[in-house]
Amino acid sequence: GNSVTQMEGPVTLSEEAFLTINCTYTATGYPSLFWYVQYPGEGLQLLLKATKADDKGSNKGFEATYRKETTSFHLEKGSVQVSDSAVYFCALTAGINFGNEKLTFGTGTRLTIIP
Amino acid sequence: DSGVTQTPKHLITATGQRVTLRCSPRSGDLSVYWYQQSLDQGLQFLIQYYNGEERAKGNILERFSAQQFPDLHSELNLSSLELGDSALYFCASSVAVNYGYTFGSGTRLTVV
Repeated sequence: GNSVTQMEGPVTLSEEAFLTINCTYTATGYPSLFWYVQYPGEGLQLLLKATKADDKGSNKGFEATYRKETTSFHLEKGSVQVSDSAVYFCALTAGINFGNEKLTFGTGTRLTIIP
Repeated sequence: DSGVTQTPKHLITATGQRVTLRCSPRSGDLSVYWYQQSLDQGLQFLIQYYNGEERAKGNILERFSAQQFPDLHSELNLSSLELGDSALYFCASSVAVNYGYTFGSGTRLTVV
C-alpha cells in the first residue's frame, strides 16, 4: 500500500536558519506529492505540490522537488521566520487512475522558530 | 476562509451518545473526504464521497457512517461514542485529486 515517512519532530530552529524536513514515500505507480501546513487551531492548508518526477513545487519561499529515483519530496526553505512555526505534513495520492484518490499523510513534523 | 465549511466547531458529548458533523464543500467540488486527527494516530482517512456516492472507505468504524446529499453537503454520523473517539474531524473537498484538497477548519469532538 501507499505510505509516507516523515522526519521525526519536533524541530526547533532560530529565525533565518535553513530548513529541511525530510519526506520519503512508497506508492503504486506515479503518485502526486504534496506538502500541507497546519497552523495552531486551524485546518490543513496546501503549501505546495508536484505531480510528476523532477517537478519542483514552490510557495511562500518553500520548495520541494519530486525525486523518483530516491522516492523523496523533501521540504526546504532558505530562511525561516517565526510565522513559519506550524505542523508540516507530507502527503501523496496515487490518483484516480489507480482507483485510489485519497491522500495518505505522513505523521507530521512540528516546527518551532525562535526569534 | 477556505471555502469548506464545517459545523459545529466544537462538540462535547457523553459516552454512548450520537452526534452528526456537517460539511459543506467548496463550490464546484464534487468530492468530499472525511479525516480523523488524533494525537496518537495522526491523520486517518475515514471515507470519501463523490457526487453523492461512496467512493472509498478507510479506517472507519462500523459505529460511524456518512452520506453526501444532492446539494453535495456531507454529514458524518458518530454513534455509541467512546472516550477514544475524541479527536479533530476534518472534512476536505476537491475538484480533482491532483489539485490537492481544501480542508475545513474541523470539528473538535470531546467525549466525556
